[in-house]
Amino acid sequence: GAVVSQHPSWVICKSGTSVKIECRSLDFQATTMFWYRQFPKQSLMLMATSNEGSKATYEQGVEKDKFLINHASLTLSTLTVTSAHPEDSSFYICSARADSGSSETQYFGPGTRLLVL
Amino acid sequence: GESVGLHLPTLSVQEGDNSIINCAYSNSASDYFIWYKQESGKGPQFIIDIRSNMDKRQGQRVTVLLNKTVKHLSLQIAATQPGDSAVYFCAENSRGGKLIFGQGTELSVKP
Repeated sequence: GAVVSQHPSWVICKSGTSVKIECRSLDFQATTMFWYRQFPKQSLMLMATSNEGSKATYEQGVEKDKFLINHASLTLSTLTVTSAHPEDSSFYICSARADSGSSETQYFGPGTRLLVL
Repeated sequence: GESVGLHLPTLSVQEGDNSIINCAYSNSASDYFIWYKQESGKGPQFIIDIRSNMDKRQGQRVTVLLNKTVKHLSLQIAATQPGDSAVYFCAENSRGGKLIFGQGTELSVKP
């Protein structure tokens, strides 16, 4: 099946620093990738939709200048949390949608746990 | 509208019993639905999907039922095993291919 990886799997950083999270589709091309945030015991909340070669589309309430998304190739999207603060501590998960035919299935990465001190 | 994060409801079953997890979706125009399983500290794992032109679909030990009249989705797991313990989310595919997730149900399987 389709495999999506994320790096790093966990990160601890100081308040005010920036953190970059990578999402890669390993065995398929993904024109579209999605970034989600999940707090403990809660559901996944979509942050933004990342399209290769164009600007990301952010969900209402998500600051685009704080959560920078770059979709540089058909297999890589990055999320940078700029000037991170403790309230940004969360589980960040990406997903990728295969490019072939009419497939709508999203395959999820293993997630990145961010802790901001 | 978007699903709002709430504390997870839980379902506790005995090993070997059947489990039924329910989900209500919000958009009557949604035409594709997916069930995901999420283990602690991991990303969601695809279980089974169903399109709106069907009302039932079966996989290995799992069955998804769709009732469009009342906008209800259910996941049935046969002969539940300890390895099935996880949080289960339903998701509906909205316009533009965005997934809207339900609040999730935590399944606990007692040996």
